[in-house]
Amino acid sequence: IAGITQAPTSQILAAGRRMTLRCTQDMRHNAMYWYRQDLGLGLRLIHYSNTAGTTGKGEVPDGYSVSRANTDDFPLTLASAVPSQTSVYFCASSFSGGSTDTQYFGPGTRLTVL
Amino acid sequence: GQNIDQPTEMTATEGAIVQINCTYQTSGFNGLFWYQQHAGEAPTFLSYNVLDGLEEKGRFSSFLSRSKGYSYLLLKELQMKDSASYLCAVQDSNYQLIWGAGTKLIIKP
Repeated sequence: IAGITQAPTSQILAAGRRMTLRCTQDMRHNAMYWYRQDLGLGLRLIHYSNTAGTTGKGEVPDGYSVSRANTDDFPLTLASAVPSQTSVYFCASSFSGGSTDTQYFGPGTRLTVL
Repeated sequence: GQNIDQPTEMTATEGAIVQINCTYQTSGFNGLFWYQQHAGEAPTFLSYNVLDGLEEKGRFSSFLSRSKGYSYLLLKELQMKDSASYLCAVQDSNYQLIWGAGTKLIIKP
């Protein structure tokens, strides 16, 4: 693989179900991010990780959890999905998470919660 | 609060020049990014400004005025493939990106 991959590409989920969105990068980037993108709104940060073993909360963390067991993988879990979590989810990574650091994005997961 | 403002939509003609403005109010400033996003795809990096002035990269240029909290993206010799959304993002004091809602650019023949 080259860059960042996300799975699944799209998913329809019943409310109340648990769901994990997967994200893997092979660029050896230290920092990784999860965003959601909704029509008419900018990308909003859900959670981030500046290095393996550490995570932090972004602007909209409620209802989501993440883990960073190694450098490459950064899964996002919805413990009990709700319709307001219908969105397009983008995973991104960057070299260090610091200044001048460019973020590179995965192709996205389109999630619909019914 | 933190705020990034961009026009929602702009229309331009193939071969012309278009300027997309971005104004911001954020807690701290560590740089401003422009990304391009085609419909149904991921954002891709276009440019980065941290000092005042113009950065030129081929047909695309980006300008920053930190004192005015203002940036613009200038696209020259527009091509149909430039039809996309253009996202402005500011890196705040915590090095997190604060994103504008994006400007949808429509190119007409």
